Amino acid sequence: EVQLLESGGGLVQPGGSLTLSCEASGFIFSSFAMSWVRQAPGKGLEWVSGISATGAATYYADSVKGRFTIARDNSRTTLSLQMSSLRVEDTAVYYCVREGDGHSPQWGQGTLGSDSS
Amino acid sequence: DIQMTQSPSSVSLSVGDRLTITCRASQAINNWLAWYQQKPGKGPKLLIYAATLLDSGVPSRFRGSGYGTEFTLTISSLQPEDFATYYCQQSHSFPRTFGQGTKVEIK
Repeated sequence: EVQLLESGGGLVQPGGSLTLSCEASGFIFSSFAMSWVRQAPGKGLEWVSGISATGAATYYADSVKGRFTIARDNSRTTLSLQMSSLRVEDTAVYYCVREGDGHSPQWGQGTLGSDSS
Repeated sequence: DIQMTQSPSSVSLSVGDRLTITCRASQAINNWLAWYQQKPGKGPKLLIYAATLLDSGVPSRFRGSGYGTEFTLTISSLQPEDFATYYCQQSHSFPRTFGQGTKVEIK
């Protein structure tokens, strides 16, 4: 069974930093691209960042480019999102997502990644 | 970036009604499209991926169709548990993009 367990969220002042983690299990982690998706209170879903299966390629939404860094450790089957220069508008639930890559995409339960309210 | 335009943004329907939601991509995405259902206070639930494939456990009243730039999610007969918000998402290329959502309310 695929499991994606996010952690690391919390209260942070604007301008602060936070690192989210996602522990993956139940599939061959190194075979799948991964993404972070967020949802601000009362808003729709927003894709934040993605990383290729090997980690060689990374992608960012314009709203977080230069402030967030995605990374993965295939040996530890973990995904991370380093967030810095946080803004009030970064307050959201952050979801770890296993990309489909020909299979069904899988989502974690989400973590309140940044609460600057 | 690929823009996903979803319509309608909201709709009021009765139990037993047929629901059709459309998602248009600004450029061809083949069948790289997923549909999600979200209820208040819960995370998104995958309904359909690869435009037409039903995720495990999803009732057969849900149907996805389309290819290229035009996609449709159809619920053949709305059930009380189907009243929720629905999103489409393209996974053809990065950055991934979502439609703005369709809120389905009980009439």
